[in-house]
Amino acid sequence: DAGITQSPRHKVTETGTPVTLRCHQTENHRYMYWYRQDPGHGLRLIHYSYGVKDTDKGEVSDGYSVSRSKTEDFLLTLESATSSQTSVYFCAISPGEFTGELFFGEGSRLTVL
Amino acid sequence: GEDVEQSLFLSVREGDSSVINCTYTDSSSTYLYWYKQEPGAGLQLLTYIFSNMDMKQDQRLTVLLNKKDKHLSLRIADTQTGDSAIYFCAESRNAGNMLTFGGGTRLMVKP
Repeated sequence: DAGITQSPRHKVTETGTPVTLRCHQTENHRYMYWYRQDPGHGLRLIHYSYGVKDTDKGEVSDGYSVSRSKTEDFLLTLESATSSQTSVYFCAISPGEFTGELFFGEGSRLTVL
Repeated sequence: GEDVEQSLFLSVREGDSSVINCTYTDSSSTYLYWYKQEPGAGLQLLTYIFSNMDMKQDQRLTVLLNKKDKHLSLRIADTQTGDSAIYFCAESRNAGNMLTFGGGTRLMVKP
């Protein structure tokens, strides 16, 4: 299994509070991604990173920010959580841009009350 | 709306073949993928097919691609209870890692 660790694995928070999810990899892969998974929608890309301090928006980036200060860590922040951000969040990594194979973490389940 | 569509649910008996279908809208898709998600886990790549291929076989898995109809299918031969999972179809439009996923098909295998 690819060395990807997501934390926390489960979190319950209240509307309006900030939340940070962490993705840590030990594979030294260049590309890292944050997806959210919702019933009927599959996985939708929130943000991705193609190197340290290099990030870009995905399909559903509103309300989310990311940071990557080290190769191994990719942080996803919800500045002010809303109930619509209740979801399962997956981090994924990839060694190159054109492989198409993403390695996924086990997910972080976030509930916003 | 979804660019990649799948049926939500499929139930088969152990030992039968399973066929999971997917339709996509972008004719410029270069690679198409099948990922598997087991309960409580992340997704794992099962197989992929390049857009200039019609079929790809990998042990019990057969992928069929109909480019004219933009239809992709995954056939699992001799389906086992361990194949119970959610299967996601995904497309890549530029051979890169910017994948668009379908909503997933939950496969239930009955003993």
